[in-house]
Amino acid sequence: DTAVSQTPKYLVTQMGNDKSIKCEQNLGHDTMYWYKQDSKKFLKIMFSYNNKELIINETVPNRFSPKSPDKAHLNLHINSLELGDSAVYFCASSQASGQEEKLFFGSGTQLSVL
Amino acid sequence: AQKITQTQPGMFVQEKEAVTLDCTYDTSDQSYGLFWYKQPSSGEMIFLIYQGSYDEQNATEGRYSLNFQKARKSANLVISASQLGDSAMYFCAMREGNTGGFKTIFGAGTRLFVKA
Repeated sequence: DTAVSQTPKYLVTQMGNDKSIKCEQNLGHDTMYWYKQDSKKFLKIMFSYNNKELIINETVPNRFSPKSPDKAHLNLHINSLELGDSAVYFCASSQASGQEEKLFFGSGTQLSVL
Repeated sequence: AQKITQTQPGMFVQEKEAVTLDCTYDTSDQSYGLFWYKQPSSGEMIFLIYQGSYDEQNATEGRYSLNFQKARKSANLVISASQLGDSAMYFCAMREGNTGGFKTIFGAGTRLFVKA
């Protein structure tokens, strides 16, 4: 069983469209994250949720709206997609929110905005 | 200002030899965690090793060891007996925060090539 699963794996869409990426973890973890990896492989945190509550929002444009219906799920909705949104988006989870917590990553969603 | 600096964009190592990947970090926190992750060409992110800021011993996990020099704020990864499967991107990361929440921030990565 995949520990952190995200869908879809690939997403190709036109500028201006709205799209969602779903993430689920079956590890029983309390904390979930969205990261964006750009074309230069730089990984940047976008959001973090702990027990369904938003705890980190890294000045992401408000076109990006995360939603956590329960602590096992963290979805990412993106409105009015722009060319610069093209990237790999990783969902991750950690058991808790402490400094020692390692991240468990999903396999990534490659988003291409045309 | 960059908080995690990896100065080696690319590194080559001969199979079976050891290699050190450099990482320096910047924080004013007393308590923080340092990590290394591996990203093979298939794209997944894999945790390798963790070092806590208060840990006096260097962390080791199999062929991986973390050379932690707190005063220098460095956390270099040493891979012993390199294997072809070690060819990948390697990211140094630091986890910092407070009771309001912790986040893991990543360096720019080092691409390691292992030669047969």
